Amino acid sequence: DAGVIQSPRHEVTEMGQEVTLRCKPISGHDYLFWYRQTMMRGLELLIYFNNNVPIDDSGMPEDRFSAKMPNASFSTLKIQPSEPRDSAVYFCASSPGTSADTQYFGPGTRLTVL
Amino acid sequence: GDSVTQMEGPVTLSEEAFLTINCTYTATGYPSLFWYVQYPGEGLQLLLKATKADDKGSNKGFEATYRKETTSFHLEKGSVQVSDSAVYFCALSEGVGNTGKLIFGQGTTLQVKP
Repeated sequence: DAGVIQSPRHEVTEMGQEVTLRCKPISGHDYLFWYRQTMMRGLELLIYFNNNVPIDDSGMPEDRFSAKMPNASFSTLKIQPSEPRDSAVYFCASSPGTSADTQYFGPGTRLTVL
Repeated sequence: GDSVTQMEGPVTLSEEAFLTINCTYTATGYPSLFWYVQYPGEGLQLLLKATKADDKGSNKGFEATYRKETTSFHLEKGSVQVSDSAVYFCALSEGVGNTGKLIFGQGTTLQVKP
């Protein structure tokens, strides 16, 4: 298996632009997680899905952020409009789903908002 | 709510030194416990895990024992190498509700010098 795939790996954009990050989870995994990592705040869980349904989005910073999972093999995290404080590394992870199961992380997308 | 506390870093050691990174947790239910490692420029990857009290997880010379009585899961390695330089995250699963969600500590940076 190729593991969790994220694209793009790097994104540089200007303030006010729309940004879309993409994730393909490992086939057969029921859970998908979106995280954000910064030096100041560490690793933060933004939202997670179970069987394509959003379960907990309490970590989404504000209405500028939205996430979708239209099918079991694809998810997007969208920021509109983007701001410099959104600059971070965004990780997607997937898991088979029980509490004993490992989460498998993608390589991350490094977002820079100028 | 559930939480994880790790010792603050950075931890700087010489090659072949003994490593301990402390991790304590607060949880309801019976969580599984994990150590993840993040090498520079990469996503997190599972290092080891333990799913019940007194279990010992081990991998690549690293060990950690699930201690329910002290609510701890300290990471140890007898002889570190330069290649072990990375950020180490302790995490627990939400045992109640079996959500698959992980609660991460803030991470501890390890630097190993030749």
